[in-house]
Amino acid sequence: EAGVAQSPRYKIIEKRQSVAFWCNPISGHATLYWYQQILGQGPKLLIQFQNNGVVDDSQLPKDRFSAERLKGVDSTLKIQPAKLEDSAVYLCASSLANRRASGAGEQFFGPGTRLTVL
Amino acid sequence: AQKVTQAQTEISVVEKEDVTLDCVYETRDTTYYLFWYKQPPSGELVFLIRRNSFDEQNEISGRYSWNFQKSTSSFNFTITASQVVDSAVYFCALSEDSGNTPLVFGKGTRLSVIA
Repeated sequence: EAGVAQSPRYKIIEKRQSVAFWCNPISGHATLYWYQQILGQGPKLLIQFQNNGVVDDSQLPKDRFSAERLKGVDSTLKIQPAKLEDSAVYLCASSLANRRASGAGEQFFGPGTRLTVL
Repeated sequence: AQKVTQAQTEISVVEKEDVTLDCVYETRDTTYYLFWYKQPPSGELVFLIRRNSFDEQNEISGRYSWNFQKSTSSFNFTITASQVVDSAVYFCALSEDSGNTPLVFGKGTRLSVIA
């Protein structure tokens, strides 16, 4: 079974530039998450989708971050304009939506995109 | 609010030693899930175990074992006979209710196993 795919793996940009990350979840996983992991810390949720609807975006800095999940499969996360403090690893994860399904709740993570803002 | 505390920032052990990683959590939910993830140098988070709040039975899986105690809000993880390949950052995490909700992570414990 293919895992969660993310691209690019690495990105270096200058502050005030724009950047976009892409995520392809595990086939059949309706729930998709974007987390931000700053160096030395645990991941923190940015946004959660179920199918193509937003479940929780309370921690997404909406003045500069946006995310979408068209057709309930792939998702993109955009930062515009980037700030120095956005340097982090951006992790995408997916899980089954059915809470009664075996393994429900287990989130599978992609390899992440490491963003450096100069 | 939910919170996960991993007091140990870094641990270094010699190969074949046993090591325990501590995790203390806070939640007002009566139903919740606890997780341990491993993050090797490659960066990908690898799922190790999930426990729900009604299952306090401790588990052993190979060299790994987990000790869940609701009375002390702790969910500790032990590696027996550590190996160099166990070197990684280990995260404890918590989610509410069904578990199909966002994870709240601790800051992680970096484990270095020296040959």
